[in-house]
Amino acid sequence: DAGVIQSPRHEVTEMGQEVTLRCKPISGHNSLFWYRQTMMRGLELLIYFNNNVPIDDSGMPEDRFSAKMPNASFSTLKIQPSEPRDSAVYFCASSRSGGDTDTQYFGPGTRLTVL
Amino acid sequence: TQLLEQSPQFLSIQEGENLTVYCNSSSVFSSLQWYRQEPGEGPVLLVTVVTGGEVKKLKRLTFQFGDARKDSSLHITAAQTGDTGLYLCAGATYNNNDMRFGAGTRLTVKP
Repeated sequence: DAGVIQSPRHEVTEMGQEVTLRCKPISGHNSLFWYRQTMMRGLELLIYFNNNVPIDDSGMPEDRFSAKMPNASFSTLKIQPSEPRDSAVYFCASSRSGGDTDTQYFGPGTRLTVL
Repeated sequence: TQLLEQSPQFLSIQEGENLTVYCNSSSVFSSLQWYRQEPGEGPVLLVTVVTGGEVKKLKRLTFQFGDARKDSSLHITAAQTGDTGLYLCAGATYNNNDMRFGAGTRLTVKP
């Protein structure tokens, strides 16, 4: 079975440009998570969805970040406008029900560089 | 400040040595998970502990959840080069269902 699929794997853009990261969760999973990982701050939860509905977006840094999940098999994380401090690896993860003992399956990540 | 503090931040040892890494917090967790992450990949779940005082073994890895459910440790016996990676702990509090991650311990096992 395919795991969590993320695209693109690498993105290099200039400050001020719009960036869209994409995620396809594992089929049958009801919860989807977006994380950001940097050396300074580690792995931070940005937002998570349950049954396509955003449950907790308190980790979203500011209004420049937005996330959508239009259906059970697709989610996007958009940054507009992007800034150099947004450079990080962005991970998407999915789990069956989002419970605290559920296994989260992570995608390979998107490495974003904002120049 | 991190909800979960992991120590040490970096650890470099020789193959065959034993090691312990720690995950500490002032918060009480309903459950705690350990993940391992290799370069260029996402974290992969190793274990979930849910009962205070619980000990789980996974081959050469031993995981312990503190009695007060505020801390955990991971002990590796006779480390191998394949154990190299970033070890992350993640906890869920009773207030939130989502998992919060520590900054990780970066382990290097040298041949």
